[in-house]
Order: sequence, then structure tokens, then C-alpha cells
Amino acid sequence: QKEVEQNSGPLSVPEGAIASLNCTYSDRGSQSFFWYRQYSGKSPELIMFIYSNGDKEDGRFTAQLNKASQYVSLLIRDSQPSDSATYLCAVSPSGGSYIPTFGRGTSLIVHP
Amino acid sequence: EAQVTQNPRYLITVTGKKLTVTCSQNMNHEYMSWYRQDPGLGLRQIYYSMNVEVTDKGDVPEGYKVSRKEKRNFPLILESPSPNQTSLYFCASSFHGGAPAGELFFGEGSRLTVL
Repeated sequence: QKEVEQNSGPLSVPEGAIASLNCTYSDRGSQSFFWYRQYSGKSPELIMFIYSNGDKEDGRFTAQLNKASQYVSLLIRDSQPSDSATYLCAVSPSGGSYIPTFGRGTSLIVHP
Repeated sequence: EAQVTQNPRYLITVTGKKLTVTCSQNMNHEYMSWYRQDPGLGLRQIYYSMNVEVTDKGDVPEGYKVSRKEKRNFPLILESPSPNQTSLYFCASSFHGGAPAGELFFGEGSRLTVL
């Protein structure tokens, strides 16, 4: 059973701080890694994806991937109250399949 | 506008009364999937389809049926709903072989309550 683990939180950070969200996965051959943001009662929306080891930056968001440690993280700089949401980590397995496995999500609260 | 459309968005029904939740996408995606989301349990996959007439079970298929007769539509059928199927349901689609592989486009969700 391929697994994706996330701390459920909530992770509470003050406005303007860096929020760090973490995810580990069990399938060593996983190829693609995704971060989805989900506001309460709404559908998930993709905010970042990463394929290669290292960092990928997009605005205030940075995804970090370490395949050796089977670890992927999302950093949100200058956190805003509008970033308050649940962040879902998703991992696409090896073997040519692109069907992602989702973690249970981490709830982020950014307080003014 | 590219989108995944689910209907109904909200439904209250009673045990045993068959219902269908429709899902349609206008992006010509091969892959479609149904998830349910419950507090503390995250997104759990019910069924998925790699293409027309090709469907397969996900992690929690019991009590559900699907069909894929057309590429754009992937309805979820609850033949005899029970209270433990009360949940928030999401349909999602993806382009087969596209990049990034595995990016899913979600519908707005269907909140189902079974009394």
C-alpha cells in the first residue's frame, strides 16, 4: 500500500511568517509530487508541482523535494490570512501510472 | 471555460433510494475519478476510469457503481444508499500522458446526506 503522510495540524503561524508544510511518502519510485490547497467546503486546487530534487519557487510558494529521504515540503513566505486552508500533498507512483495518492492534509491557520 | 461539472451539489435522501451523481468534463480528458472526503480521513478514491469503457476500483468502492460510456461523462451511482455514505464527493479528471502527470482538475463537490 503506497502511503503519503502529513501532519494533520493545525499549524498556526502569524501573518507575515513562513509556513512550512511537510509530507513523506513510501513509494521510493514516485515521480511527480503535488501540493493542492483546499478551502473549507471547496474543491482542491493545484498550487505547485515538482518532479526533480531541489527547490521550485513560484511567487510566495516554494516546493522542496528530497527523493533520497522521500520527503517533500511546501514553504509559504509572507503568510497571509487568505492562505488559511488545508494543504494536500499528492504523489504519483512509479510504473507509468499518474494516479496520485493523497495525504490527509495539513490545516494551516494564519492569524493576523 | 475548462471545467468539471457535478450535479447535484447538495442532496438529502433516504436509505435505499437509488441516486446518481453526474460528472461531466469539457477538457477531453481520458482519466476521470471519484473521491469521497470525510473529516480526518482525507480524500479517498472510490472508482476511476482510464478511458471510455475502462473503469477500476479505488480504495473504497463498496456500495458504489460507475460507468464510462462517453469520454466526457462519469456518473457515480449509489444503488441503495446508506447513512455511512453521507459525505462530500468530488469528481476529478486529468489528461492522460500530459504534464504534469497526475495533475487533477476537480469539480465543485457534491454534499450528500443519507438519512
